[in-house]
Amino acid sequence: GENVEQHPSTLSVQEGDSAVIKCTYSDSASNYFPWYKQELGKRPQLIIDIRSNVGEKKDQRIAVTLNKTAKHFSLHITETQPEDSAVYFCAASRGRDDKIIFGKGTRLHILP
Amino acid sequence: DAGVTQSPTHLIKTRGQQVTLRCSPKSGHDTVSWYQQALGQGPQFIFQYYEEEERQRGNFPDRFSGHQFPNYSSELNVNALLLGDSALYLCASSLELGYTFGSGTRLTVV
Repeated sequence: GENVEQHPSTLSVQEGDSAVIKCTYSDSASNYFPWYKQELGKRPQLIIDIRSNVGEKKDQRIAVTLNKTAKHFSLHITETQPEDSAVYFCAASRGRDDKIIFGKGTRLHILP
Repeated sequence: DAGVTQSPTHLIKTRGQQVTLRCSPKSGHDTVSWYQQALGQGPQFIFQYYEEEERQRGNFPDRFSGHQFPNYSSELNVNALLLGDSALYLCASSLELGYTFGSGTRLTVV
């Protein structure tokens, strides 16, 4: 069945350094890949997304890359700040009318 | 512009009881999806409603049922509650791509 694997489950980086979270997906028909940030006790919030016709997308300190051949995609956060501490979820979907399948999440700790 | 609103925010039920959770989607959104998020896990897809019909369903038993109303709001019903149903239940609405999530209902089954 459809599955999204996410690694690592926990990541600690020094403030100012970069963080990378990697995901793989099993459904080759997936063509939409959103990333969500969930702070403790709060709702997941969409931070960036990428469609399959694009290999990379950047928004300020956040970037996502997609390799459709290998079926993996990654989130890159540069110049990390304390407010980046949260749980990050990758997800995959076939598109507008389809469900979104989430990974298990990565708990990111930004160390002072 | 109101986002996705869910009620109640917290709920405690006894094993075997039934529960109804409610969701009002973001203005203009016509599709509502429900997710179950156990502690420390990613959201698990329960089902999706569009035009008052269940369009897709995840791997959840028939004890989980739902409904969508003409104004696009939705309900999630769970019968014969089990201890394992304790979780955060998230509602998400969408129009095109990209969900907007509500704050969720924290259900505790004792």
